[in-house]
Amino acid sequence: EVQLVESGGGLVKPGGSLRLSCAASGFTFSNAWMSWVRQAPGKGLEWVGRIKSKTDGGTTDYAAPVKGRFTISRDDSKNTLYLQMNSLKTEDTAVYYCTTESGSLDAFDIWGQGTMVTVSS
Amino acid sequence: SYELTQPLSVSVALGQTARITCGGNNIGSKNVHWYQQKPGQAPVLVIYRDSNRPSGIPERFSGSNSGNTATLTISRAQAGDEADYYCQVWDSSTAWVFGGGTKLTVL
Repeated sequence: EVQLVESGGGLVKPGGSLRLSCAASGFTFSNAWMSWVRQAPGKGLEWVGRIKSKTDGGTTDYAAPVKGRFTISRDDSKNTLYLQMNSLKTEDTAVYYCTTESGSLDAFDIWGQGTMVTVSS
Repeated sequence: SYELTQPLSVSVALGQTARITCGGNNIGSKNVHWYQQKPGQAPVLVIYRDSNRPSGIPERFSGSNSGNTATLTISRAQAGDEADYYCQVWDSSTAWVFGGGTKLTVL
């Protein structure tokens, strides 16, 4: 079964850090381009950033609101995607989803169930 | 930065056709994807590259894209189609962009 499972969410104070993980199974993770998408409570979807497969350079791209504070990485030996979040702000409060960018569909075809991050004092 | 505009809400009578629009500058030149999100659930891809349905998505879901507007059409709307719908494009300067989302109500 194709699956993405996020973990690592929780409550953190403004200015703090948190690392999210996304465990992949059921597909060849090393070939996948992976993205993080977030959704603030009651709001719409917001793309956070992505990492390409190592064979495609392994480069990362980020949305403007998180650039310089968030870092996406991957460990293909563990089939795991990471999101390191530093200097967190209250506006980073959201459910964070990991998702695959399908090369054949050019869209996000597999989604995890999400993990909640709350930034509050 | 590139922006996508969706109506906040659309209502449709049971069994009728719903149309949800997504506006953007020359969006017809881009590939548009559509996602359905039900409360408490992750989004699900329902249309990719303007008008293609992933496996498992009913034929009632279709899409079109031309000029400055892309449209998701849901024929013979069912109660189970009630959800939020988001359009998405890739823009070379903004990267991935989502529309603000449209809440579909089936009456």
